[in-house]
Amino acid sequence: GEEVAQTPKHLVRGEGQKAKLYCAPIKGHSYVFWYQQVLKNEFKFLISFQNENVFDETGMPKERFSAKCLPNSPCSLEIQATKLEDSAVYFCASSQFRVGETQYFGPGTRLLVL
Amino acid sequence: KNEVEQSPQNLTAQEGEFITINCSYSVGISALHWLQQHPGGGIVSLFMLSSGKKKHGRLIATINIQEKHSSLHITASHPRDSAVYICAVSPIQGAQKLVFGQGTRLTINP
Repeated sequence: GEEVAQTPKHLVRGEGQKAKLYCAPIKGHSYVFWYQQVLKNEFKFLISFQNENVFDETGMPKERFSAKCLPNSPCSLEIQATKLEDSAVYFCASSQFRVGETQYFGPGTRLLVL
Repeated sequence: KNEVEQSPQNLTAQEGEFITINCSYSVGISALHWLQQHPGGGIVSLFMLSSGKKKHGRLIATINIQEKHSSLHITASHPRDSAVYICAVSPIQGAQKLVFGQGTRLTINP
C-alpha cells in the first residue's frame, strides 16, 4: 500500500496480559522501525528490520518484548505480561533503502495497560 | 544531556507571525529530519536534510553541519500550523534508527 498501516488503533490490556500490535509497511520498503512514544513527546527506538531480518534491536526490553517481520505478513510487536509502564503509543515506520532516508510513520497503536 | 535538544519547548504566536524552532545535536549524523505531529497523533515527515536549506510552501528548514544546528521556519503562520514539531537525527553510528528531540508544541492563535 501507499501508507503504513497499523492495527489496532487502540488496545486495552490488564496488567500481566499479552498485547500484540501489527504493522504493514509501504509496499517496496525494505526497512521497518518500531518506536514507543510515552509522556506525549518522548520517543524511544525499539527495533528495526531489514526485510525479515532484525537489523537493530538495541532498544528492545528483551524479557517481555518480541517482534517479527515475516514474508507476506504484517510485522508484529508482542508484549508478554504487560506492565503499567508499557502504556504508550507505538509507532511503526518504514523506509526504502538508504541510510538516513525519510521514514514514513503509521498512525500508531495506543496501548493502555490497566 | 539528550543527544538532540530543541527550543523552545512551547511557543504561542499570533496568526501571520514568523516562527523559528531550533534544534541542536551532539552526535555525528547522516541526516536530520523535521517531523510534524498533529493534535490527533499522526506524524508527518516535513523535511530530511543533510546539508544546506530546503523549502516547501511556507516551511523552510536549514542545517549547519559544522555547528550541529538546524532551524525550522514557518512564514505567515496560520492556526492550522498548530502542532508539535519534532527534530530527529539519523546518527552515523545508529543503523538508521531515529533519535528524537523532545518536540516543540506550537500554538498559532487567530
